[in-house]
Amino acid sequence: DVKVTQSSRYLVKRTGEKVFLECVQDMDHENMFWYRQDPGLGLRLIYFSYDVKMKEKGDIPEGYSVSREKKERFSLILESASTNQTSMYLCASSLIRLDDYQETQYFGPGTRLLVL
Amino acid sequence: AQKITQTQPGMFVQEKEAVTLDCTYDTSDPSYGLFWYKQPSSGEMIFLIYQGSYDQQNATEGRYSLNFQKARKSANLVISASQLGDSAMYFCAMSNVFSGGYNKLIFGAGTRLAVHP
Repeated sequence: DVKVTQSSRYLVKRTGEKVFLECVQDMDHENMFWYRQDPGLGLRLIYFSYDVKMKEKGDIPEGYSVSREKKERFSLILESASTNQTSMYLCASSLIRLDDYQETQYFGPGTRLLVL
Repeated sequence: AQKITQTQPGMFVQEKEAVTLDCTYDTSDPSYGLFWYKQPSSGEMIFLIYQGSYDQQNATEGRYSLNFQKARKSANLVISASQLGDSAMYFCAMSNVFSGGYNKLIFGAGTRLAVHP
C-alpha cells in the first residue's frame, strides 16, 4: 500500500510567520508534488520535484519555496505567511507506469492551514 | 488547451443503486491518462481508477468502472451498488507528458455525490 503522510492535519499560523509543511512517502517514488485546493478554484500545482535536490515551479509558485533533501521527503515552505495562503495543502507522490509512462499520483491526507 | 469538464456539481443516488458521474476531456496529445479520485470530507484525495488512452478495454476496480469513449472524449465513472460511504467529492483528472518529460495532472471541478439510505 502506498503511504503518503503529512506532518499536520490542521495548522494555525500568524501573518508573517515562516511555515513548514512536511510530506513523506514510503514507496521510493521519484516525483513529488505540492498542491493547494480552494473552493471554486480546484487543485492548483505549486511545485513539484522529480529527484532529490531538484524542483520545478508549478502554476502558482509565488510566495512558496520547496526543499527535497531526501528522496522520501518533500517540504513546502511559506517564507512569510499571508492570509491569502489560507488553504488546504495536498502533497502527492507518483508512480510511473512502465506500459505507457503515465503517472499515478497518490495523495496524503492534506493540511488545512489557517493564516490569521 | 488541455481541459477536464465535470458538468454535474451534485448528484444523489439511493443506496445499492448504480450511479454515473460524467467527465469529458479535451487534449490534442495522443498519449494521456485519465483518473478518478474520491475526496471524502476528511480531505484526503483517494485514487480510484486509471484508464490509459491506448487501453482497448474499459478499466474496472471492484465496484468502480470507467466508461471510456475515446471518440467522444468522455471518461465517465460508474459506481455500482452504492454505499453510504461513497458520499464524497469525486474528481476526474487527466495527465499529459510535459514537454520536459514530466506528467502534469489536470483536475476537473468535481462532482459531489450524496448516497441516501
